[in-house]
Amino acid sequence: DTGVSQNPRHKITKRGQNVTFRCDPISEHNRLYWYRQTLGQGPEFLTYFQNEAQLEKSRLLSDRFSAERPKGSFSTLEIQRTEQGDSAMYLCASSAIGGNEQFFGPGTRLTVL
Amino acid sequence: AQRVTQPEKLLSVFKGAPVELKCNYSYSGSPELFWYVQYSRQRLQLLLRHISRESIKGFTADLNKGETSFHLKKPFAQEEDSAMYYCALRYQAGTALIFGKGTTLSVSS
Repeated sequence: DTGVSQNPRHKITKRGQNVTFRCDPISEHNRLYWYRQTLGQGPEFLTYFQNEAQLEKSRLLSDRFSAERPKGSFSTLEIQRTEQGDSAMYLCASSAIGGNEQFFGPGTRLTVL
Repeated sequence: AQRVTQPEKLLSVFKGAPVELKCNYSYSGSPELFWYVQYSRQRLQLLLRHISRESIKGFTADLNKGETSFHLKKPFAQEEDSAMYYCALRYQAGTALIFGKGTTLSVSS
């Protein structure tokens, strides 16, 4: 385990389809964060977990988005009925409780046609 | 609302020239400030955090609460410093980061 991993790295889908992304954090990191990054912007916070509890959700996270972290290990982010505006890089990060640094994954690039 | 502003989209300098990447923030409390860097084809990684007051790869950043700024500086730029730099804020430990839009630093010889 050398870092945060995300799968898939790229996803192309048609408008209206559902997609699911997976994030595997660094082992023993209790906190897990999801961000979205569009062209020319910095990462924008979506949601975060401490263990299996979802502690905060951004207003960016519409009801078409849902995130889970069963058993406090990996996390999934699902987007239902995708729209072209959902096209972005989805980043996952993890950190230890009390840790100052968030470690980022490589991201999943979503393209909605 | 918390906000981070990086006024420059692109900063181009010659090798050996001084570099200053600007970052201003708005937050009524005492935030924690960070600089993250993303080199070409690599993932986002932490460069500096204000609480540690350290120098990494020759870069330093000082938190100026009066001017609400956290500018990143390096006296002599190197070509390997070319990357995208993001300033980020969080209002307490463990919470999410709020990022600026980023500044691309291009160092040429």
